Amino acid sequence: SQQGEEDPQALSIQEGENATMNCSYKTSINNLQWYRQNSGRGLVHLILIRSNEREKHSGRLRVTLDTSKKSSSLLITASRAADTASYFCATDGLDNDMRFGAGTRLTVKP
Amino acid sequence: DSGVTQTPKHLITATGQRVTLRCSPRSGDLSVYWYQQSLDQGLQFLIHYYNGEERAKGNILERFSAQQFPDLHSELNLSSLELGDSALYFCASSPRVGREKLFFGSGTQLSVL
Repeated sequence: SQQGEEDPQALSIQEGENATMNCSYKTSINNLQWYRQNSGRGLVHLILIRSNEREKHSGRLRVTLDTSKKSSSLLITASRAADTASYFCATDGLDNDMRFGAGTRLTVKP
Repeated sequence: DSGVTQTPKHLITATGQRVTLRCSPRSGDLSVYWYQQSLDQGLQFLIHYYNGEERAKGNILERFSAQQFPDLHSELNLSSLELGDSALYFCASSPRVGREKLFFGSGTQLSVL
């Protein structure tokens, strides 16, 4: 079964706008990660946030984590057409699995 | 290039058949994870091996099995194939167990006709 659930399932924005994706999960975690997948290709790691961290930045990416609500958000600022992809959250659980959500499909229109 | 190699890239077979998917992790990585991604779906976690031993099991069917060999490469065996097994199968590797990012292969596209 999926551990995380991303919201929204699909998001369409204009270039230059910000994109926010949310992820909710069910069980305790060691860390939460976000990955990007271009159509039909392997996933690429974007950012990892540990369970004792609340916010993390990497370039145009900002991730927050609220363990009390079991949720995370990924913000991509000043989006570009090249950001068009599917974005997945993944939770590193306490039982050595790494489970992914269903993903958010982001389309950035030029 | 992630350094993770999956073969074959594409596989077309018939219902009832058996296939083997192969994964070579990045040099030095001890953990291998297998995932199934059906069309427009998320990734379903199948199984995790660390240094030759099974560490976690997900939604892996009894018709599927996997193993990790002493040289750390891994194989996913799918038998009695059904139409619904058609999917992209990914493996990913990491140096240790958990708490770090995964490096994904480019996947094996399995089509069961």
